[in-house]
Amino acid sequence: ETGVTQSPTHLIKTRGQQVTLRCSSQSGHNTVSWYQQALGQGPQFIFQYYREEENGRGNFPPRFSGLQFPNYSSELNVNALELDDSALYLCASSFGTLAANTGELFFGEGSRLTVL
Amino acid sequence: SQQGEEDPQALSIQEGENATMNCSYKTSINNLQWYRQNSGRGLVHLILIRSNEREKHSGRLRVTLDTSKKSSSLLITASRAADTASYFCATGPINAGNNRKLIWGLGTSLAVNP
Repeated sequence: ETGVTQSPTHLIKTRGQQVTLRCSSQSGHNTVSWYQQALGQGPQFIFQYYREEENGRGNFPPRFSGLQFPNYSSELNVNALELDDSALYLCASSFGTLAANTGELFFGEGSRLTVL
Repeated sequence: SQQGEEDPQALSIQEGENATMNCSYKTSINNLQWYRQNSGRGLVHLILIRSNEREKHSGRLRVTLDTSKKSSSLLITASRAADTASYFCATGPINAGNNRKLIWGLGTSLAVNP
C-alpha cells in the first residue's frame, strides 16, 4: 500500500470521447507525475505537477492535459480519444520535484482505459 | 522514448533458484532504480542505486551498477513463487532538461514456478 489512490480502476470509452482520471497523492507529497503504460511496454512519462503548476512534460500532444489541486490531488484529462490511448494510466506521488526526478516514486494501482 | 533495455525480456525459473536481470541505458545518470509490477497493477519501488555506488543490497535483492558500461543488474536470491512479476529499471538522467522524468525500460517478465 503506497497511499496513492486512483479512480476509476477500469473504464471503457469510444473514439472521440473525453476522459478524466483522478489521483490522490500520498499524505505529505506535493508532486504528482502521470505515466502511460501500453500493454507489454514500460511506463511513458506524460507530465508532472508541482504546486498546482505543470513542471515538465513528455512527448504527448496537447489533448493530454492535467490539473493539480491545493490538496495536491490531480486529474489527467484526455480529449478526442484515439484507439492508441488504450493503456494503463499510472499516477505517482513524491515530495518535491528533485525527489520526483531522481528519487523514489510511490505509484497508485492505475486506471485501465480501453478505447473502442 | 525508452532508455533502459532490460535483458532478458522473459525469464522462467524454479522456486529456490536465483534470478538475474540486466538493464542497459544510454545517457549519464544520477541514479538507477528498480521497480516491480504485478500483472496490470501499480509499480512498487524496490531499490535505488546512485551513480557513485557500485553495489547495494536489500533483503534478497542485490543490485550492481557499472557506469562505464552503462549497465545494471538485479539479482533475486532464493526466489519464491510470489516474486513472479515484471521488473523495470528506471534511470534519472543528469541532463533531464525540462522533462525531468525518469526513463523506463521495457521490463523483464519473471515467472517463478513452484
